[in-house]
Amino acid sequence: QKEVEQNSGPLSVPEGAIASLNCTYSDRVSQSFFWYRQYSGKSPELIMSIYSNGDKEDGRFTAQLNKASQYVSLLIRDSQPSDSATYLCAVPRSYIPTFGRGTSLIVHP
Amino acid sequence: GAGVSQSPSNKVTEKGKDVELRCDPISGHTALYWYRQSLGQGLEFLIYFQGNSAPDKSGLPSDRFSAERTGGSVSTLTIQRTQQEDSAVYLCASGVMIRSTRDGLSYEQYFGPGTRLTVT
Repeated sequence: QKEVEQNSGPLSVPEGAIASLNCTYSDRVSQSFFWYRQYSGKSPELIMSIYSNGDKEDGRFTAQLNKASQYVSLLIRDSQPSDSATYLCAVPRSYIPTFGRGTSLIVHP
Repeated sequence: GAGVSQSPSNKVTEKGKDVELRCDPISGHTALYWYRQSLGQGLEFLIYFQGNSAPDKSGLPSDRFSAERTGGSVSTLTIQRTQQEDSAVYLCASGVMIRSTRDGLSYEQYFGPGTRLTVT
């Protein structure tokens, strides 16, 4: 089992819809979780971090963490075409974040 | 404020030549990471620095790869005798500690724009 797994997609949603991106991880002791956004040809950009079970909201983004089930998700409300990118989940193992392969999101007008 | 900078942004080199890639992290960030990303692939961890020390070099693909960090700031990744399979985007990330947990210290990472290396 890979340490961090994401569906590669692409996930296609219409503009204005909620996009739901999921990530599962294998290391039960992980305590910190990150979501990065990577536009095509660009470097990853940190958009959310979450440490406690439950939801964390920041603008149109909500990160959800369930440690018992070992998954973390990212919801994007009112999706915009500018949200079209690859979303990477990162779960640290000691000092080194392990990145998932990313989910490609396409928001079509 | 100033983010992470990397130079050069693009490098084309002939097979067998040595290359040096530079990373200037965000001032005050103690952790520094190097990754590489091949076209359409995920991030491959190469090396991590805490200050000037590299406690984890496990990701370096071969002994042709080396890295150093001086003054707790600038880092250089050197690839000797480049091969075509070294072609990729090399990303540097600057890390700031955000919390200490039972599984160690946790860092938020801020990436530079990358260096696109092409070996012909």
